[in-house]
Amino acid sequence: AQSVTQLGSHVSVSEGALVLLRCNYSSSVPPYLFWYVQYPNQGLQLLLKYTTGATLVKGINGFEAEFKKSETSFHLTKPSAHMSDAAEYFCAVTLYGQNFVFGPGTRLSVLP
Amino acid sequence: EAGVAQSPRYKIIEKRQSVAFWCNPISGHATLYWYQQILGQGPKLLIQFQNNGVVDDSQLPKDRFSAERLKGVDSTLKIQPAKLEDSAVYLCASSSYREGSSPLHFGNGTRLTVT
Repeated sequence: AQSVTQLGSHVSVSEGALVLLRCNYSSSVPPYLFWYVQYPNQGLQLLLKYTTGATLVKGINGFEAEFKKSETSFHLTKPSAHMSDAAEYFCAVTLYGQNFVFGPGTRLSVLP
Repeated sequence: EAGVAQSPRYKIIEKRQSVAFWCNPISGHATLYWYQQILGQGPKLLIQFQNNGVVDDSQLPKDRFSAERLKGVDSTLKIQPAKLEDSAVYLCASSSYREGSSPLHFGNGTRLTVT
């Protein structure tokens, strides 16, 4: 069965600084990988996804993630943090579209 | 397109009472999911429907939770009787499932508080 770990339950960055949120997965075969963002009192919104092909994936709001098979990682980055990026971020994995498994989440705080 | 609709947004009940949540997925989405999100944790799958059939309900506490998706469109999740540990946000999601990489689209959830 697949699983997801997210290192760091809470990450704080200054506005304008680099954002790096870590995600590692465990899967018997290469999975499909996703990053979702959740704002307070809202559902999850898709940021980006990796299926096959190019390992660097660009998403909405300036976020991107790189799939590294050798490291079983799918870390999320953004060059310059904005106050509006403060939210909870979840990494998710699925095989063949069945049973999406989510990580525990990382809360991102952006300091002025 | 209209998003996933859920109601109610908030519900407060006493333990041992029953409660029901409703979800209407995005039009045309064959796959519907119910997730439980406890505060500070990631969503945990409760049940997955493909049209009106159950694909995966292995993590659904069947002694108290039930779900149905009549006619393969909207769905209802019920808890009877509720326990304190059921306090959580219940998220409904849908997917077109045209291919395995189709993402989930989430509703805003129902926040349940059991006192």
